[in-house]
Amino acid sequence: EAQVTQNPRYLITVTGKKLTVTCSQNMNHEYMSWYRQDPGLGLRQIYYSMNVEVTDKGDVPEGYKVSRKEKRNFPLILESPSPNQTSLYFCASSFDRGYTEAFFGQGTRLTVV
Amino acid sequence: AQSVTQLGSHVSVSEGALVLLRCNYSSSVPPYLFWYVQYPNQGLQLLLKYTTGATLVKGINGFEAEFKKSETSFHLTKPSAHMSDAAEYFCAVRDNTGGFKTIFGAGTRLFVKA
Repeated sequence: EAQVTQNPRYLITVTGKKLTVTCSQNMNHEYMSWYRQDPGLGLRQIYYSMNVEVTDKGDVPEGYKVSRKEKRNFPLILESPSPNQTSLYFCASSFDRGYTEAFFGQGTRLTVV
Repeated sequence: AQSVTQLGSHVSVSEGALVLLRCNYSSSVPPYLFWYVQYPNQGLQLLLKYTTGATLVKGINGFEAEFKKSETSFHLTKPSAHMSDAAEYFCAVRDNTGGFKTIFGAGTRLFVKA
């Protein structure tokens, strides 16, 4: 089954404690993105990747890091989480830039206290 | 810079009535345009997209949208609302010149009354 898998689904952590949210897709997609969703703001793109070792900033990259060492994986790293990073995070992947469907993961709800 | 404005954070319609969700965008280059739907506690699902060609695009679940360049709009419509259409809808824009930066609107929550 084609899917994007995020882990964990729920996470409560403390300010400053480094964490990684994993994202894996099984469709051999080149394009992957991370978004955060906040009430009233919709989704905002954090980082995206157009292929292995090719990443670029989205609209809200501050406080986040990503890496793309393998095609299937695109982890999101919060080196020093802060409460304003409490949000719902989605990973997405697609075969191309717009002609085919994008697949979204189920989301990771992160709370930073 | 690109931006997306969805008019109305909440829209309420009666079952069987026309659904119209508005989306206006700004982009300095020809855009790709998307509508996504999100059901409670789920990820997003693509409803339809405009990339090139025909400006009236049909999507899943009976939805369609028309790209109007002169009005910089991409409104989503469905002739007859169903209770199962109750969800949050997001419009998104991406430039088609090589990058992958994607801007989403703030979303419109659709309520369907019996």
